[in-house]
Amino acid sequence: GEDVEQSLFLSVREGDSSVINCTYTDSSSTYLYWYKQEPGAGLQLLTYIFSNMDMKQDQRLTVLLNKKDKHLSLRIADTQTGDSAIYFCAESFSGGYNKLIFGAGTRLAVHP
Amino acid sequence: DTGVSQNPRHKITKRGQNVTFRCDPISEHNRLYWYRQTLGQGPEFLTYFQNEAQLEKSRLLSDRFSAERPKGSFSTLEIQRTEQGDSAMYLCASSPADYATNEKLFFGSGTQLSVL
Repeated sequence: GEDVEQSLFLSVREGDSSVINCTYTDSSSTYLYWYKQEPGAGLQLLTYIFSNMDMKQDQRLTVLLNKKDKHLSLRIADTQTGDSAIYFCAESFSGGYNKLIFGAGTRLAVHP
Repeated sequence: DTGVSQNPRHKITKRGQNVTFRCDPISEHNRLYWYRQTLGQGPEFLTYFQNEAQLEKSRLLSDRFSAERPKGSFSTLEIQRTEQGDSAMYLCASSPADYATNEKLFFGSGTQLSVL
């Protein structure tokens, strides 16, 4: 079945690193994504990783993928107040189009 | 590039009324998706269009819901006889068709529906 799970809340101090975790169930997923949603806005694609990779770095963002454990994480270095948002993990499938299955989201709160 | 546009941004309606939402995708994108997001949850897939053809519908899409994309450009999502349980954010996304590379979805800001 298709299921993506995330912890619901994370609080960090400004300047620290944030690590948001996600587990998924379908081993046939081809891509895994991280989206960011700010209040009243749609979803913004942050980064993604192909399922045959184990790490991807993009500026302050590092994605780690443990395919054996079906575990995905997003690390945000030097977290800023502007990073406060809800972060969604999503998996997709190789069915010829990009149907995404989303987790419930992790609310990241950054405090001074 | 103006991004994915959705109208209206907010809709308040009484139970039993019909509502229609519109999505204008990015102009060169031939794939269009509708998702629904309820409070505290991630978006849930509703339906998908490749050009004007509706190729998949979720079981979440009851008979009261209908989506169209008549000319393969903009799309409409209609809900008939609305119920309070239909209250949610309705998100539209588009992407170019490209089987060779990762397909990124670009989301609109959504239409927030409140059924009283």
